[in-house]
Amino acid sequence: EAGVAQSPRYKIIEKRQSVAFWCNPISGHATLYWYQQILGQGPKLLIQFQNNGVVDDSQLPKDRFSAERLKGVDSTLKIQPAKLEDSAVYLCASSLESGGRADTQYFGPGTRLTVL
Amino acid sequence: QKEVEQDPGPLSVPEGAIVSLNCTYSNSAFQYFMWYRQYSRKGPELLMYTYSSGNKEDGRFTAQVDKSSKYISLFIRDSQPSDSATYLCAMKKSGGSNYKLTFGKGTLLTVNP
Repeated sequence: EAGVAQSPRYKIIEKRQSVAFWCNPISGHATLYWYQQILGQGPKLLIQFQNNGVVDDSQLPKDRFSAERLKGVDSTLKIQPAKLEDSAVYLCASSLESGGRADTQYFGPGTRLTVL
Repeated sequence: QKEVEQDPGPLSVPEGAIVSLNCTYSNSAFQYFMWYRQYSRKGPELLMYTYSSGNKEDGRFTAQVDKSSKYISLFIRDSQPSDSATYLCAMKKSGGSNYKLTFGKGTLLTVNP
């Protein structure tokens, strides 16, 4: 079974530029998550999709971050304009379903963003 | 006070040692408790999960939850160099729309041959 795919793996941009990350979840997984992991910290949920609807985006800085999941499969996370503090690893995860139990989230390798 | 506290380490042990990793939490609503392992430049992978209080064992790994003390632990027996990674505790509330995982900072473990 193929895992969660993410691209690019690394990205270096200057502040105020824009950047986009792509995620392809495990086939058949209805729920998709985007996390931000700053160096030395645990992952922080930015947004969660159930199929192509948003379940939770309470921690997404909506003035600069946006995300979409068209057709309930692939997803794109965009930052525009980027700030220095956005330097982090952006992790995508997917799970079979989202419920009140500990459904397993499978993580991709992440995209390491450096903002100069 | 952060919802989940985890000592970031680093922790260095000799091969074969018993490793104890811990997290404390403040929110009594957490019902599901997980441990993730994250190798360098990789995404986290689920290692163990437990529901409510109790112990769970899987090979060399044992997860313990003490809800009365708001304290969870992961024990690794006969540690191996391949166990060298960052270990993240994570927890979530049960039911409704409370699906969010809250992670600790992670503890960096090195097992020396």
